[in-house]
Amino acid sequence: DAGVIQSPRHEVTEMGQEVTLRCKPISGHDYLFWYRQTMMRGLELLIYFNNNVPIDDSGMPEDRFSAKMPNASFSTLKIQPSEPRDSAVYFCASTSSGATGAFFGQGTRLTVV
Amino acid sequence: AQSVAQPEDQVNVAEGNPLTVKCTYSVSGNPYLFWYVQYPNRGLQFLLKYITGDNLVKGSYGFEAEFNKSQTSFHLKKPSALVSDSALYFCAALDTGRRALTFGSGTRLQVQP
Repeated sequence: DAGVIQSPRHEVTEMGQEVTLRCKPISGHDYLFWYRQTMMRGLELLIYFNNNVPIDDSGMPEDRFSAKMPNASFSTLKIQPSEPRDSAVYFCASTSSGATGAFFGQGTRLTVV
Repeated sequence: AQSVAQPEDQVNVAEGNPLTVKCTYSVSGNPYLFWYVQYPNRGLQFLLKYITGDNLVKGSYGFEAEFNKSQTSFHLKKPSALVSDSALYFCAALDTGRRALTFGSGTRLQVQP
């Protein structure tokens, strides 16, 4: 298995632009998580899905952030409009009901200028 | 709400010496605890986990962790450090209800040759 795949690895965009981050979880995993990593706040859970349904989005910082999971093999995290304070590394992770812990993707480093 | 604390931002150790990276936790119910490692520009890699059983858990790359219920600690250890162990280490606790991991702030391990 290729593991959790995220794209792009790096994204540089101008303030006000829309940004879409993508994630392909490990096949067979029914939980998907989006985390954000910053120096100031460390690793924060933004949202997670179970069987493609959003379960807890209490970590999503603002309405500018939205996430979807249209099917079991794909999820997106969208920021519209983006702001410089959104600059961070965004990680996607997946796991299954019968497992503990999670498998992480390589992350997307977002820079908003 | 559960929480994980890593009291040291950085740990410095000489190659060949034993290392300890500290972690304390606060959870309701039985703790499910994890250590992850993050190398530069990479995602988080699973090292080891404690679910139940022996208090000494062995993991990848020669690492082990000692679970201490009375001290609510889960310190990461290695008998002999390698320069290649230099990385960012995260302790985490699983919220069994939400299936999501709560991470500590991370500890940067620097192993000097």
